Parts: sequence; structure tokens; C-alpha cells
Amino acid sequence: AQSVTQPDARVTVSEGASLQLRCKYSYSGTPYLFWYVQYPRQGLQLLLKYYSGDPVVQGVNGFEAEFSKSNSSFHLRKASVHWSDSAVYFCVLSANTGNYKYVFGAGTRLKVIA
Amino acid sequence: EAAVTQSPRNKVAVTGGKVTLSCNQTNNHNNMYWYRQDTGHGLRLIHYSYGAGSTEKGDIPDGYKASRPSQENFSLILELATPSQTSVYFCASGDAGAAPLFGEGTRLSVL
Repeated sequence: AQSVTQPDARVTVSEGASLQLRCKYSYSGTPYLFWYVQYPRQGLQLLLKYYSGDPVVQGVNGFEAEFSKSNSSFHLRKASVHWSDSAVYFCVLSANTGNYKYVFGAGTRLKVIA
Repeated sequence: EAAVTQSPRNKVAVTGGKVTLSCNQTNNHNNMYWYRQDTGHGLRLIHYSYGAGSTEKGDIPDGYKASRPSQENFSLILELATPSQTSVYFCASGDAGAAPLFGEGTRLSVL
């Protein structure tokens, strides 16, 4: 069975500091992986996606993520956070065969403080 | 522009009543999904569809039905609403393996 674990339910960082949000997945094959952001009372918006190839993928607003098959991870990073990055971030997995259902992590709530 | 539109955005229902949540997509995607979001659970899949006329059970289908009368529309139906179904519901559409597009969500309160 596929699963996604985001081990940090809440993360607080200072504005201008670097950020890493962790994501670990469980899947026997090579997955499709996504990071989404959810602002208060809004839907989920895609930050970036990984299908294959270069393990470091760039996304919107300066976000990037690195895929590691050996570690079964897909961590999200940003070099310098802004207060507007405060939101909930979801790591999402899709199997690359079969019914293409999506499996969500529980989310990490990011708070950026001055 | 690609879009997923949910209606209503907010709904208050009474226990035992029937609730229908609607979703429309203009993306010509084959696949559509209904999720609920509760604190600490992320998004959980209720029902999904591969195309008009098809519906499949997701991970938590009990108490819910779904209907996909056309490529564009996918409804979630609560025949007998219960307070445990109070939640935020999201509809999404997507092609196989691609990043899904989400609606803005429907806040449902069952009293």
C-alpha cells in the first residue's frame, strides 16, 4: 500500500530564514510526487511536481524539492521565507500505474514570524 | 482558464436531511475526485470517477454516494446527513498521473 508521512505537523521559522519541510513516502515503484500549498479557506494550489529525471525540481515562488529514491523522500525547500508563505503544505503521491489515485500526507502547518 | 468550481461554498444541513454537493470542471479531465478534509487527517478520498457514468469508492465511502452525469459534473450526495459528516469537502479533477486541480472547497455543517 502507498502512504505519505509528513513528520512535522507544525513548523515555525523566522522571516528570511531557510526552510525544509519533510516528506517520506512508501511505494514499491517510482512515484509521481507533488507539493501543494493551502492558504486559509482556500483550495490546494500546486507548488511543484516530480515525474522523473533531475531529482531537484523547481516550483513557484522560489520553492524547490528534491526526490531521493534511496531515502523514499521528497523534501520541500526554500532559501528565504516570507511571511506570506505561512500556510499548510501537503505532500502528495500518485502511483505511476493503475488507477492513479492520490495519497496525501497529513500536512505541515508553516508559520513565518517576524 | 482551467477551473474547478464547487457549489455551494457553505452549507448548513440538519441531521437526517439530504445534501448534494456539486462540482463542475472546465478542464476536460477524465478523472474527478471528492475528498474531505479534517484536522489531522489531510485529505481523504471519498469517491472518484474515471469518466461520465462511472463512480468508484474511495477510502471512506460509507454514508456517501456519487454521481457523474457528464464529463464536466461530479456530485457528492449525503442521503442521510449526520454530524460526523461535518467537514470541508474538496473536489478535484485531473488526468491520469498528472497534478490534480482543486476547487475552493465546501464547508458543510450538519446540526
